[in-house]
Amino acid sequence: DVKVTQSSRYLVKRTGEKVFLECVQDMDHENMFWYRQDPGLGLRLIYFSYDVKMKEKGDIPEGYSVSREKKERFSLILESASTNQTSMYLCASSRTMSGNQPQHFGDGTRLSIL
Amino acid sequence: AQKITQTQPGMFVQEKEAVTLDCTYDTSDPSYGLFWYKQPSSGEMIFLIYQGSYDQQNATEGRYSLNFQKARKSANLVISASQLGDSAMYFCAMREAGTGGGADGLTFGKGTHLIIQP
Repeated sequence: DVKVTQSSRYLVKRTGEKVFLECVQDMDHENMFWYRQDPGLGLRLIYFSYDVKMKEKGDIPEGYSVSREKKERFSLILESASTNQTSMYLCASSRTMSGNQPQHFGDGTRLSIL
Repeated sequence: AQKITQTQPGMFVQEKEAVTLDCTYDTSDPSYGLFWYKQPSSGEMIFLIYQGSYDQQNATEGRYSLNFQKARKSANLVISASQLGDSAMYFCAMREAGTGGGADGLTFGKGTHLIIQP
């Protein structure tokens, strides 16, 4: 079974802090993704990566950056956290370019910015 | 315009009844894939079923089936013989082939909260 592991289930940070959310997958997947989930809005794509050191902006990249130094690890960075970034963050991975490959998700990180 | 529309914010269903969760989509790409995910209250997203735009038959996976009507751009999820453990949020999602291939993210609907009553 595919395992996508997010480093924290719950995280509380202060406004202005630099926040790192870590995600690791163990199935040698090419593609990795970060989403945020807000009530009534569903999931929205922040960034994705299709290879080591490669990254692409999703629908809502503002205020975020990402890092993919190793194939199995994809980090989401909030450069200067703000209260409107309080949300549930979900990491996912999928095998390479075939359209029928599902994305496999981690358990999510509930991030609160105070 | 929304690419994925789930018109039912919430549903209550009696245990053992069949359930249909609606999903309509909007795309001009001839090649796309449709996915359904389940999200229990614990938060993890669980992949349920996939339907490709060129698939001739409706997808089935155990108690889950997909009623795919391509001309109407709908991909409704059908759960047969519902169980208490089916209570969760359900999300319909789409990937368009476009130029990004499989690397592009999924576009999700806003979800349907399904509650199975004993």
